[in-house]
Amino acid sequence: EDKVVQSPLSLVVHEGDTVTLNCSYEVTNFRSLLWYKQEKKAPTFLFMLTSSGIEKKSGRLSSILDKKELFSILNITATQTGDSAVYLCATLSYNTDKLIFGTGTRLQVFP
Amino acid sequence: GAGVSQSPRYKVAKRGQDVALRCDPISGHVSLFWYQQALGQGPEFLTYFQNEAQLDKSGLPSDRFFAERPEGSVSTLKIQRTQQEDSAVYLCASSSTGQPQHFGDGTRLSIL
Repeated sequence: EDKVVQSPLSLVVHEGDTVTLNCSYEVTNFRSLLWYKQEKKAPTFLFMLTSSGIEKKSGRLSSILDKKELFSILNITATQTGDSAVYLCATLSYNTDKLIFGTGTRLQVFP
Repeated sequence: GAGVSQSPRYKVAKRGQDVALRCDPISGHVSLFWYQQALGQGPEFLTYFQNEAQLDKSGLPSDRFFAERPEGSVSTLKIQRTQQEDSAVYLCASSSTGQPQHFGDGTRLSIL
């Protein structure tokens, strides 16, 4: 059975800290891995990673995929209170368009 | 519209009642997805459409759940004879071919 595991489940940091969120997967016919940020409402898209070893970056956020070791990390530098959210990792396979999500990592950033 | 629109935002129903949840996808998006999100969990796939064709309904928990997208645009998720375990947030997402899914704000369903 396909599964996506995120760690840690919860993280509490102070503004300015750097955090690393982890996502490992066991998925047949793996195609891509996606990161989403979920505050109170809709998950909002952050990154889609398909190739191994190529870092994607958007402002203070960056992410990389390792298809050999079957994991991805999401880094957030100089965290701000507005980064507080649940970060969701999900995978896509070649034989379907449905996303398989992990449980998420709840990040709380305090001033 | 600019984003995926879902209605109602909140729905409270008594056990045994039928409910209908609506999703209006981003204009032009071919694919539409329904997910169920329990408290503290990641979204779980229910079903998806490509235009009006329902390509996968393997995630629907029981035959009380039914989804349709008759004209390839708006979709409705219907739950018959609701049970307490149906209480969750129901998320709709849409996408163009090969592009990431974009989610609506969800409908929070509470069954009393």
